[in-house]
Amino acid sequence: GEDVEQSLFLSVREGDSSVINCTYTDSSSTYLYWYKQEPGAGLQLLTYIFSNMDMKQDQRLTVLLNKKDKHLSLRIADTQTGDSAIYFCAQNRGSTLGRLYFGRGTQLTVWP
Amino acid sequence: DVKVTQSSRYLVKRTGEKVFLECVQDMDHENMFWYRQDPGLGLRLIYFSYDVKMKEKGDIPEGYSVSREKKERFSLILESASTNQTSMYLCASSRGPAQETQYFGPGTRLLVL
Repeated sequence: GEDVEQSLFLSVREGDSSVINCTYTDSSSTYLYWYKQEPGAGLQLLTYIFSNMDMKQDQRLTVLLNKKDKHLSLRIADTQTGDSAIYFCAQNRGSTLGRLYFGRGTQLTVWP
Repeated sequence: DVKVTQSSRYLVKRTGEKVFLECVQDMDHENMFWYRQDPGLGLRLIYFSYDVKMKEKGDIPEGYSVSREKKERFSLILESASTNQTSMYLCASSRGPAQETQYFGPGTRLLVL
């Protein structure tokens, strides 16, 4: 089964907040990541959170980490049409030679 | 800024051809990765390399091989391309152990006819 899970689709209205959720099973992570992929492009690092943090804020982005529930979320405030993209969460794990484990991605569609 | 480049954005090949996808990074990163991305399946790791001439299989290595002769370059080889290898191929690099943030290239969209 999936080790890192995300819902596949999310639609919001322009100006609303978007919340993209991610759950994971392996608790050995030291870092958890959010990547953004625009159509036809590679993945772009959006933000990351160290596992000893509960929250990280970066302008319109807020990352929340609930280690007890193994739940990571990305909140985008005042969502714009330019935020339409696929968002991937990813985690590292101990002793895996630098490998990251990705969810399947959430397609965010922002309606004007 | 880290720059990861891939040799082609779009590639069209015929079934049975040998295909080379090239990836170059300019930040002296130890680790390099090859993924394929298909709709609904997300990213799947094909192979990765943690040092020159070192490689590790990912989750779907069948039908692929890799080469890392120089630190900055990581090649993905399709020995005999098949139609089910039509996909988007993404290369990434990272500094090394304990610094696993990956930086991605723009991708190569491969069509095998």
